[in-house]
Amino acid sequence: AQSVAQPEDQVNVAEGNPLTVKCTYSVSGNPYLFWYVQYPNRGLQFLLKYITGDNLVKGSYGFEAEFNKSQTSFHLKKPSALVSDSALYFCAVRGPGGNRLAFGKGNQVVVIP
Amino acid sequence: NAGVTQTPKFRILKIGQSMTLQCTQDMNHNYMYWYRQDPGMGLKLIYYSVGAGITDKGEVPNGYNVSRSTTEDFPLRLELAAPSQTSVYFCASRDRDSNTEAFFGQGTRLTVV
Repeated sequence: AQSVAQPEDQVNVAEGNPLTVKCTYSVSGNPYLFWYVQYPNRGLQFLLKYITGDNLVKGSYGFEAEFNKSQTSFHLKKPSALVSDSALYFCAVRGPGGNRLAFGKGNQVVVIP
Repeated sequence: NAGVTQTPKFRILKIGQSMTLQCTQDMNHNYMYWYRQDPGMGLKLIYYSVGAGITDKGEVPNGYNVSRSTTEDFPLRLELAAPSQTSVYFCASRDRDSNTEAFFGQGTRLTVV
């Protein structure tokens, strides 16, 4: 079975500082990894994905994520956080050939002006 | 493109009542999913479908039913509503290509009283 762990409930960061949201996963075989963002009372919006290739993946709104196979991690990063980045962030994994996408519990990011 | 459309956006049900949550997508996606989101719990998969006429259970299918008579539509049926079904429900779809990300609807907030 596949699973995702997002160990922190909330991440607080000052505006302009680097932002990191942690994610570790468990899956059989090579993973397909995704990050989504959810703003209040909205659906999930896709940010970026890792399928294969370069371990550093760049996505929307200046976000990037680094795939680390040995640590089974896929941490989301942004060099300089904005107040508008305050939202709920979800990491998700799917196994090769799998139909299901497993989500972590989500991390609330609060960017302090 | 409208993407994934869910109706209604909000609904209050009494215990024992029934309702259908509607989901339609206009992207000709083969795969469709229903998730429920509870605070601090992430997204849990209820049912999914890999194409018209094919459905399968996810992690939390009890109390729900689905059908997939067309590629576009994937309604979720609650037969005897219970307070434990109070949640936010999200429908999602994706292309059959395993590299692709899922697209989400805006959600239906359901309260059972």
